[in-house]
Amino acid sequence: GAVVSQHPSRVICKSGTSVKIECRSLDFQATTMFWYRQFPKQSLMLMATSNEGSKATYEQGVEKDKFLINHASLTLSTLTVTSAHPEDSSFYICSANSRAGGSTDTQYFGPGTRLTVL
Amino acid sequence: QQQVKQSPQSLIVQKGGISIINCAYENTAFDYFPWYQQFPGKGPALLIAIRPDVSEKKEGRFTISFNKSAKQFSLHIMDSQPGDSATYFCAAAGGTSYGKLTFGQGTILTVHP
Repeated sequence: GAVVSQHPSRVICKSGTSVKIECRSLDFQATTMFWYRQFPKQSLMLMATSNEGSKATYEQGVEKDKFLINHASLTLSTLTVTSAHPEDSSFYICSANSRAGGSTDTQYFGPGTRLTVL
Repeated sequence: QQQVKQSPQSLIVQKGGISIINCAYENTAFDYFPWYQQFPGKGPALLIAIRPDVSEKKEGRFTISFNKSAKQFSLHIMDSQPGDSATYFCAAAGGTSYGKLTFGQGTILTVHP
């Protein structure tokens, strides 16, 4: 099946620093990738939709200047949390559609990245 | 109209029993309904998915039942095992969402041995 990887799996950083999280589709090309955050015992909250070669589309309430998303190739999207603060501590998960980004394409998720900001 | 409501919030089942999780949606443009299983500290994994042209889909011990007129769908886990203990999310996509999934609130399933 389709595999999505994330790196790093865990990161601890100091307040004010920036952190980059990578999301890769290992065995398929992903025109569209999605970034979610998840707080403990809660559902996944979509942050943004990332399309290869174009600007990301952010959900309402998500600061695009704080959460920078780059989708440089069909297999790689990155999320950079800029000037991280303790309230940004969360579980960040990416996903990728296995085909052309249509409404019924199967979406595969990465293993997630646990970010802790001290 | 984009919401997907999931119930129950938590579920305890004995080993060998049937686990049933329900979801309801409002947006009639939704045309893809996946279920995801998530273990603590891991990303969600696709379990099974259904499209509205069928009323039921079965894969192993997992079955989705879909009622288009009621705008409801459910996950049935037959012969539940302790290893099934996880959080389950229903989701929906379609219409103008361009692949974006709308998730239910999640159900924490505990299967006692």
